[in-house]
Amino acid sequence: AQKVTQAQTEISVVEKEDVTLDCVYETRDTTYYLFWYKQPPSGELVFLIRRNSFDEQNEISGRYSWNFQKSTSSFNFTITASQVVDSAVYFCAYYGNNRLAFGKGNQVVVIP
Amino acid sequence: NAGVTQTPKFQVLKTGQSMTLQCAQDMNHEYMSWYRQDPGMGLRLIHYSVGAGITDQGEVPNGYNVSRSTTEDFPLRLLSAAPSQTSVYFCASGGSGARELFFGEGSRLTVL
Repeated sequence: AQKVTQAQTEISVVEKEDVTLDCVYETRDTTYYLFWYKQPPSGELVFLIRRNSFDEQNEISGRYSWNFQKSTSSFNFTITASQVVDSAVYFCAYYGNNRLAFGKGNQVVVIP
Repeated sequence: NAGVTQTPKFQVLKTGQSMTLQCAQDMNHEYMSWYRQDPGMGLRLIHYSVGAGITDQGEVPNGYNVSRSTTEDFPLRLLSAAPSQTSVYFCASGGSGARELFFGEGSRLTVL
């Protein structure tokens, strides 16, 4: 079965610092998708990005950027110049074989 | 524009009671799924369905039943609730399988 590892459980940063969340996955599939979701304190799940296994281009969306490296099975997420509104739990997830498997999440706390 | 609707949002049960968590979507998605979220565990797949009449087990199916008689609805049944089933439950649907999931707002279940 596929496995997604997010090693850091809780990360605290001071506002305006950058924060990088690591995601490592294990798979034998050649075709798969990777995701990041945000769960703010209100509890809903917010989709951030989807990346397929054939597209290793890095992506930037505002203060968010993602680094996909197939060679190291990693899909890391960086928040640049963090803000208090970025305080949330962030989940990395792997799609394959009709299933979406989530990592355990990173709790990000941005201190004003 | 309802999206994915879960009811109830909160429920308290006693051990041994039965209940059904309802999930309905109005996007004509073939794929629907149920997850549970426990502290420090991320989201874990309980059951999923790729279309009416078709269901399959996820990572943690024990103690839960599902059926899919229509495209719109995917109820999750607890036949005899246990304290270990205290959790937040999320329903999700997708038009391209699990590659693009829309999540409901969650249902918080407490079993005493």
